Amino acid sequence: AQTVTQSQPEMSVQEAETVTLSCTYDTSESDYYLFWYKQPPSRQMILVIRQEAYKQQNATENRFSVNFQKAAKSFSLKISDSQLGDAAMYFCAYRSPYNNNDMRFGAGTRLTVKP
Amino acid sequence: DTEVTQTPKHLVMGMTNKKSLKCEQHMGHRAMYWYKQKAKKPPELMFVYSYEKLSINESVPSRFSPECPNSSLLNLHLHALQPEDSALYLCASSQEFRGEQPTGELFFGEGSRLTVL
Repeated sequence: AQTVTQSQPEMSVQEAETVTLSCTYDTSESDYYLFWYKQPPSRQMILVIRQEAYKQQNATENRFSVNFQKAAKSFSLKISDSQLGDAAMYFCAYRSPYNNNDMRFGAGTRLTVKP
Repeated sequence: DTEVTQTPKHLVMGMTNKKSLKCEQHMGHRAMYWYKQKAKKPPELMFVYSYEKLSINESVPSRFSPECPNSSLLNLHLHALQPEDSALYLCASSQEFRGEQPTGELFFGEGSRLTVL
């Protein structure tokens, strides 16, 4: 099964600054989907950004962007102009289109935003 | 409608009780999921239904019994649970990959917080 690794259990950023969360994954598949989900204390998992592996262009959603390095199997999330509302657990996730809709998560990174 | 609705939001049960968690979506998704999440941990996959058929069972104990009565509903029947089963149970749905142009993401409900006494 594919594995997703987030090596930063906790990260901290000053409000209005930029922070990058790391994610690596292991797979032998050539086609797949990668995601960053945010889970605030309210507990609902919210999609931040998605990336299809066949697309070379890095995905961007407003203040959120990714650095997708397919050969290195790396998928980092950059949050620009950090806001207090960005404080949450961030999970990197891998989804295979071949394995019965399986979706796996990394261990998560807790992001704190300091005012 | 882009919501996944889970009920109840909170549930407290004894080890001898029988209860059910319910999940509903009206986005036409044909894949539905149950995840278990302990505090400060990632969601752990329990079950996946694809076109109302169980496609993944991650070796979950039989005291958890999933059911998919139709394409919009997903239940998780609970019986003889243990205190270590206390957790947040998340339901999610997604487009199926077969024969579709999926965006790939899962849509999650707010979860059911289960406490087993």
